[in-house]
Amino acid sequence: GDSVTQMEGPVTLSEEAFLTINCTYTATGYPSLFWYVQYPGEGLQLLLKATKADDKGSNKGFEATYRKETTSFHLEKGSVQVSDSAVYFCALTFSGNTPLVFGKGTRLSVIA
Amino acid sequence: AAGVIQSPRHLIKEKRETATLKCYPIPRHDTVYWYQQGPGQDPQFLISFYEKMQSDKGSIPDRFSAQQFSDYHSELNMSSLELGDSALYFCASRYQGAPNTEAFFGQGTRLTVV
Repeated sequence: GDSVTQMEGPVTLSEEAFLTINCTYTATGYPSLFWYVQYPGEGLQLLLKATKADDKGSNKGFEATYRKETTSFHLEKGSVQVSDSAVYFCALTFSGNTPLVFGKGTRLSVIA
Repeated sequence: AAGVIQSPRHLIKEKRETATLKCYPIPRHDTVYWYQQGPGQDPQFLISFYEKMQSDKGSIPDRFSAQQFSDYHSELNMSSLELGDSALYFCASRYQGAPNTEAFFGQGTRLTVV
């Protein structure tokens, strides 16, 4: 079945460091790809998305590019802030009413 | 903008009791998903509804049932609760009328079974 694999956390970075969270997927066909973020005690919020190969999603300084050749959707940010501390989930879905399939999540802690 | 509303936000139940969780999707959204997230875990898909019909089923226990009503709100009914049911339950909604739309999540209901 379809699946998403994320790098295991936790990831601890100093403020202003560069962030990469790896995400690869296995799917039949070409899914849409998403990054969701979950702040402590809150629900999941969409961070960014890409719907086709070579699309780049971006939001709040975060970026991810849909790479069909490597089936990847790595999340990057050039300079993290303490407020970025959260759990990040990579996910995929297809058009129609198919559910989102999530990765295991990666906890990011940014220290001042 | 209106978001997905879940109620209650917190619920404490004893073993073997029943619980009902409610989800009110974003207006015009025709699809509702339920997820269960255990402590430190990724969200696990339980069940989904499209236009008031069950559309997909995941790892939902037989003790749980769900439905979507004519106003598109959905309820997750949980019976014979077990300690292991303690988790955060998320509802998400989506509009299928446009391609590649994302799902929007509610704040979740934290269920604690004691």
